Amino acid sequence: DIQMTQSPSSLSASVGDRVTISCRANQSITFYLNWYQQKAGEAPKHLIYGASSLRSGVPSRFSGSGSGTHFTLTISSLQPEDFATYYCQQSYSTPSLTFGGGTKVQIK
Amino acid sequence: QVQLVESGGGVVQPGRSLRLSCTASGLTFSTSGMHWGRQAPGKGLEWVAVISDDGSSKYYADSVKGRFTISRDNSKNAVYLQMNSLRPDDTAVYYCATNGREGVFYYMDVWGKGTTVTVSS
Repeated sequence: DIQMTQSPSSLSASVGDRVTISCRANQSITFYLNWYQQKAGEAPKHLIYGASSLRSGVPSRFSGSGSGTHFTLTISSLQPEDFATYYCQQSYSTPSLTFGGGTKVQIK
Repeated sequence: QVQLVESGGGVVQPGRSLRLSCTASGLTFSTSGMHWGRQAPGKGLEWVAVISDDGSSKYYADSVKGRFTISRDNSKNAVYLQMNSLRPDDTAVYYCATNGREGVFYYMDVWGKGTTVTVSS
């Protein structure tokens, strides 16, 4: 089974900071990697597919990179509305999907 | 716009059954695969099951295989999750989501607001 591990599990940052979240797979998933954002009390929202492709409407300050087993979500300049929990998800084994454990981005 | 509304959650004793429903609007439902996912209190997201657009293919997470059954009724724009032999660790908010696709890349696209299932004696 494909396991996804995110780090850190939480981080504190200020508005305007550059934030980087890591996601690792226990085997190569090539580019089959999604990112989601979940704000407290809300359903998740899909942000990125194919490791680096932003879905329509997602602000350009979000970017994804990586391939194989190591992936990164970067927020170039953190905005107040970006404080949330972020999850990676592999779709290499579609239709079965696996989420990472999540990274909570908190206000410093 | 696409809207999904889950229902059927509640408090149930261990070993009992519950059926969740998800009703969709704003999309051609019969051409969309559908997922169920869940989130235990204070925990992360877990994918649970998926069903193809015509209902012919179904896949499950190992944690629910043999206990949960996903189904759909395209005449009612609805997808269901029949949950049997419920356990305390099935306690979670259950979400339905449409299947999104961009080329060869699949994802959980539009999500409902969720329905809460509590398994407790």
